[in-house]
Amino acid sequence: GAVVSQHPSWVICKSGTSVKIECRSLDFQATTMFWYRQFPKQSLMLMATSNEGSKATYEQGVEKDKFLINHASLTLSTLTVTSAHPEDSSFYICSASGLTGLAFNEQFFGPGTRLTVL
Amino acid sequence: KQEVTQIPAALSVPEGENLVLNCSFTDSAIYNLQWFRQDPGKGLTSLLLIQSSQREQTSGRLNASLDKSSGRSTLYIAASQPGDSATYLCGLNTGNQFYFGTGTSLTVIP
Repeated sequence: GAVVSQHPSWVICKSGTSVKIECRSLDFQATTMFWYRQFPKQSLMLMATSNEGSKATYEQGVEKDKFLINHASLTLSTLTVTSAHPEDSSFYICSASGLTGLAFNEQFFGPGTRLTVL
Repeated sequence: KQEVTQIPAALSVPEGENLVLNCSFTDSAIYNLQWFRQDPGKGLTSLLLIQSSQREQTSGRLNASLDKSSGRSTLYIAASQPGDSATYLCGLNTGNQFYFGTGTSLTVIP
């Protein structure tokens, strides 16, 4: 199946700093990438949807100025948590889907990034 | 807006038992439905994908069904094993967006 990677897998940062998380589709062109977050013991929630070359669409309640998403190529999307605070500590997961081939209308998920803000 | 519900929220069964997990959704306009497994602290693992035109998919001990008219999907796990213990999520792809269910936490007791 199609492979999606995330980097880093784990990050600890100080409050007020910014953290960038990368999501890559390794063997297919991801026209759409999704970013999710999961707070402890809660369901995974969609944060935003990004289509390559377009601005991301954010879910209600997600601050677009705080969670910057860039999907500049068909294999890479980045999520930057700006001025992170302890309440942003969460598990962030990306997924990707494509229009053809391996990932046609199916989402493939990255392994996730655990963010801890001190 | 699509609402996806999974019942029960938690389930505990003895090893070897067959079990069924349920997923209900409110809007039948979907492209496909996926069942996922999530282990603590890890990303989701896709188990089965059912396209909108399909009624069921099977993989090993797992069988997933889809009934769009009633807004239901089930995941059947045969001969459960302790290694099946995890949280199971269903997810719907509407073409524009993806919706997750609330999840069922499964514990298989040895």
